[in-house]
Amino acid sequence: EVQLVESGGGLVQPGRSLKLSCAASGFTFSSFPMAWVRQAPKKGLEWVASISSGGGGTYYPDSVKGRFTISRHNPKSTLYLQMDRLRSEDTASYYCARHAVGAGYFDYWGQGVMVTVSS
Amino acid sequence: IMLTQSPTTLSVTPGESISLSCRASQSISTNLHWYQQKPNESPRVLIKYASQSISGIPSRFSGSGSGTDFTLNINRVEPEDFSVYYCQQSNSWPRTFGGGTKLELK
Repeated sequence: EVQLVESGGGLVQPGRSLKLSCAASGFTFSSFPMAWVRQAPKKGLEWVASISSGGGGTYYPDSVKGRFTISRHNPKSTLYLQMDRLRSEDTASYYCARHAVGAGYFDYWGQGVMVTVSS
Repeated sequence: IMLTQSPTTLSVTPGESISLSCRASQSISTNLHWYQQKPNESPRVLIKYASQSISGIPSRFSGSGSGTDFTLNINRVEPEDFSVYYCQQSNSWPRTFGGGTKLELK
């Protein structure tokens, strides 16, 4: 059974940093691109970052480019999101998601972890 | 690429058949996927590449369209279908989602 379990969320002040983790199990982690998708309270879904299976390719929307860094450690089957210079508008639930192999959609999602940016 | 979903909210009675729309700001071929998100749950994919079915998803869900106009159809809505539905494009970076359509009980 595919499982994605996020951790590392919490309350953080504007301008500070936070690092999220996503522990994957039930599949060959190193074979799949992975992503982070967020959802602000009562709002829609926003793609935040993607990383290739080997980690050599990363992609971001302009809203987080230069502030967020996605990475992975394949031997540990773990995905990360380093979030720097956080803003209030980054407040959201952050989901870890698996890209379907060779495809552009997300076939498995974690349960999400809440990040609140507030002073 | 912007994705515009309509309507924002749709009120229906169980047993009705409905269509939800997703329009792209430029042609995305069939690189369009549909998700369902129930309250307090993570999203799940319903349809991939505009019209391709996903294993384990009920057959009452179907999709159609190409280019800029896409439709998610639900044949005879069941009580468990009352959720928010999102479309997402994978034609180009950045990946984008539509704003969602909330399907509610009339």
